[in-house]
Amino acid sequence: EPEVTQTPSHQVTQMGQEVILRCVPISNHLYFYWYRQILGQKVEFLVSFYNNEISEKSEIFDDQFSVERPDGSNFTLKIRSTKLEDSAMYFCASSSGTGANQPQHFGDGTRLSIL
Amino acid sequence: GDSVTQMEGPVTLSEEAFLTINCTYTATGYPSLFWYVQYPGEGLQLLLKATKADDKGSNKGFEATYRKETTSFHLEKGSVQVSDSAVYFCALKTGAGSYQLTFGKGTKLSVIP
Repeated sequence: EPEVTQTPSHQVTQMGQEVILRCVPISNHLYFYWYRQILGQKVEFLVSFYNNEISEKSEIFDDQFSVERPDGSNFTLKIRSTKLEDSAMYFCASSSGTGANQPQHFGDGTRLSIL
Repeated sequence: GDSVTQMEGPVTLSEEAFLTINCTYTATGYPSLFWYVQYPGEGLQLLLKATKADDKGSNKGFEATYRKETTSFHLEKGSVQVSDSAVYFCALKTGAGSYQLTFGKGTKLSVIP
């Protein structure tokens, strides 16, 4: 069964550094998402992306964050200048559509640790 | 705004016990409701869903019924197995124009032999 893959599985970065998290969505999917889960808290929506532009974003997704689909297969999340509070598990997801019968499929996540 | 509340975990059950994990929600409009499961070391997997009131979602012996009158979507399984040990997340998605899933905090289930 096709799956969403994320790399790396664990990223350790110094505060203030830039970090790029990478995702390969399912190949025929058109909608892409990033979520994060701070330890012990809820999974929170960050952003959705369709047709090479952001379709929806949450208040968490401020100017420090950006997303890009640099080629036909990758979908990336960049954090420009990381803060301690960015430490979390980041999940990428993709879907073929936005209806309830086109569910979002998630990757295994990247654990980001900011020192 | 939209929100999902799940029962606090962790939940520990013996094999073959009955499982209920409570989930209630608040949402504008008529959301679709989901249960996702996260096995150790893995990502979130869709377990089941329901798109309208009184719908019952089911998969792998798990069931949940969309109850509009009580705004609930409780997860049940008649006889749990050790392999069901995981974290279970209740989630909702509102209608057209919104792309995001809103999740509960997750409930960790441990099933002991």
